[in-house]
Amino acid sequence: GESVGLHLPTLSVQEGDNSIINCAYSNSASDYFIWYKQESGKGPQFIIDIRSNMDKRQGQRVTVLLNKTVKHLSLQIAATQPGDSAVYFCAEIKAAGNKLTFGGGTRVLVKP
Amino acid sequence: EAGVVQSPRYKIIEKKQPVAFWCNPISGHNTLYWYRQNLGQGPELLIRYENEEAVDDSQLPKDRFSAERLKGVDSTLKIQPAELGDSAVYLCASSPGHTDTQYFGPGTRLTVL
Repeated sequence: GESVGLHLPTLSVQEGDNSIINCAYSNSASDYFIWYKQESGKGPQFIIDIRSNMDKRQGQRVTVLLNKTVKHLSLQIAATQPGDSAVYFCAEIKAAGNKLTFGGGTRVLVKP
Repeated sequence: EAGVVQSPRYKIIEKKQPVAFWCNPISGHNTLYWYRQNLGQGPELLIRYENEEAVDDSQLPKDRFSAERLKGVDSTLKIQPAELGDSAVYLCASSPGHTDTQYFGPGTRLTVL
């Protein structure tokens, strides 16, 4: 079946550097895509979303890029901080039914 | 404002025993979801409620899993009997409406021995 997946299982980044987390998707019918952050022992926390008709969206220290040509999604975190250490999931969703389909997650480790 | 509340946070049971999880969604959120998250994977939807009605339970293993949301607020998810493969984190989420951002609770980590 169609799925959302991630390129790298673990990303180590130096504190203060920028992080880039990548995600590939296969369902071109999705209405929008979401990034979630999950810290140990907690549920996923919404970070940012992007509609399928957009290429870029910025939030506080985060930017999501969507390349529909190659079905690729990325999350950029500027000036990565220790508090950014977590597992990051991309997810796709169709507005009808609000059903999230998650990928497998990328663990981000921030080194001091 | 309080987030989604779940209890218990941890549960250890022996196989073939029953178990139940409880969820209290964010106040005013009409839509409630139950997800199961296996280790190292993303959550997978089990069931979605619109108020007290289960509108999507296609992924719920109905031979052993059941859920209810009798008054359209709190919800319980039950497994009877539990199997070893049911070990996972069970997450509850809620959203104001069925097209809105979902907010997740901390989950219940179930271990079946």
